Amino acid sequence: NAGVTQTPKFRVLKTGQSMTLLCAQDMNHEYMYWYRQDPGMGLRLIHYSVGEGTTAKGEVPDGYNVSRLKKQNFLLGLESAAPSQTSVYFCASSYVAYEQYFGPGTRLTVT
Amino acid sequence: AQSVTQPDIHITVSEGASLELRCNYSYGATPYLFWYVQSPGQGLQLLLKYFSGDTLVQGIKGFEAEFKRSQSSFNLRKPSVHWSDAAEYFCAVTSGGSYIPTFGRGTSLIVHP
Repeated sequence: NAGVTQTPKFRVLKTGQSMTLLCAQDMNHEYMYWYRQDPGMGLRLIHYSVGEGTTAKGEVPDGYNVSRLKKQNFLLGLESAAPSQTSVYFCASSYVAYEQYFGPGTRLTVT
Repeated sequence: AQSVTQPDIHITVSEGASLELRCNYSYGATPYLFWYVQSPGQGLQLLLKYFSGDTLVQGIKGFEAEFKRSQSSFNLRKPSVHWSDAAEYFCAVTSGGSYIPTFGRGTSLIVHP
């Protein structure tokens, strides 16, 4: 039982490049979330999903897209990376509104 | 709108001393309350949760928290802090009708030997 895994762990991008972050969970959770964490800002919700095939915007969705084609996977895409997207990205999953299980994070630097 | 306030950005304690981290929330419905811990370079891990029932809840690593509805608080406590408790602590609130938890900004705990 791996819980929540994130790929990759680290990435450096140049401005304008694109990339996809992968989140996978093996707990059969319906809900999945993408957050970014910046110093002094706490956790900010980017997008979330309440089930396979559904997605919704969170607090800071601009510049990001997501897809949930399979229940166990939640993908976060950056189409044209900007330095402001330098951050640590966390994926989480939960069984409805109960406690969240977090992945180990992806540290992204955009130069 | 729901909100969570952690009034202390940083707290410094000596190893072996007691600890209390404050959390206040603003929420119209019956809240589900959580404390998470984040060690450096890691994701968040659930310490404890409150849904209903006994207002004093026990968690992992010797932590406990008390729900006080009259004060809209859910403070985290530990009687004797260990150096390994140095981390970031987040309080969060949600409800059965909400998909989205609201997190506090976090409190950074520093432990002096």
